[in-house]
Amino acid sequence: GENVEQHPSTLSVQEGDSAVIKCTYSDSASNYFPWYKQELGKRPQLIIDIRSNVGEKKDQRIAVTLNKTAKHFSLHITETQPEDSAVYFCAATPFSGGGADGLTFGKGTHLIIQP
Amino acid sequence: DTEVTQTPKHLVMGMTNKKSLKCEQHMGHRAMYWYKQKAKKPPELMFVYSYEKLSINESVPSRFSPECPNSSLLNLHLHALQPEDSALYLCASSQDRNLGMVYEQYFGPGTRLTVT
Repeated sequence: GENVEQHPSTLSVQEGDSAVIKCTYSDSASNYFPWYKQELGKRPQLIIDIRSNVGEKKDQRIAVTLNKTAKHFSLHITETQPEDSAVYFCAATPFSGGGADGLTFGKGTHLIIQP
Repeated sequence: DTEVTQTPKHLVMGMTNKKSLKCEQHMGHRAMYWYKQKAKKPPELMFVYSYEKLSINESVPSRFSPECPNSSLLNLHLHALQPEDSALYLCASSQDRNLGMVYEQYFGPGTRLTVT
């Protein structure tokens, strides 16, 4: 099955600086890579995603890059703000051949924004 | 309506009890999912339903029994659980895969289950 590795497990950055979280996946058939933000006690919220036919995607301060050859993808947050503090999960969707597939998540990165 | 709702928010049950978790969405999604999340861990996939049919069961013990009575509802029936089953149970929904295209999954707020 799919295996997703995520690094670092904890990331502390100064407010206003950039943060980068990296993930690798194992299944070359995976073709969808979302990123979720989860605040304490709340549901995972989709913040950005990328499909395997695209190399980069941006949404305001957030960007995701995908390198299919190397099987890795990264989340970039610029101009970090205190409200960016949360746990971030990367995920990949392996293809089972059926109509829907669940997500395989990385272990998560606890992002701490220092004021 | 762009939300996935789950009831109850919290549930405490004994090891001999039978209870059910409920999930509802009105986004017209035909794929629904159950995930289990332990503290400080990522969500782990349990079950996938596609067009009300169980399509993936990630080797989940039979004390967890999913049910999809219609395209908007997803239940998880619980029986004879163990204390280690205590976790946050998350429901999610998405459009079904179409011509290889995968769609976003939206999560409900979860049910926090404690087994005593």
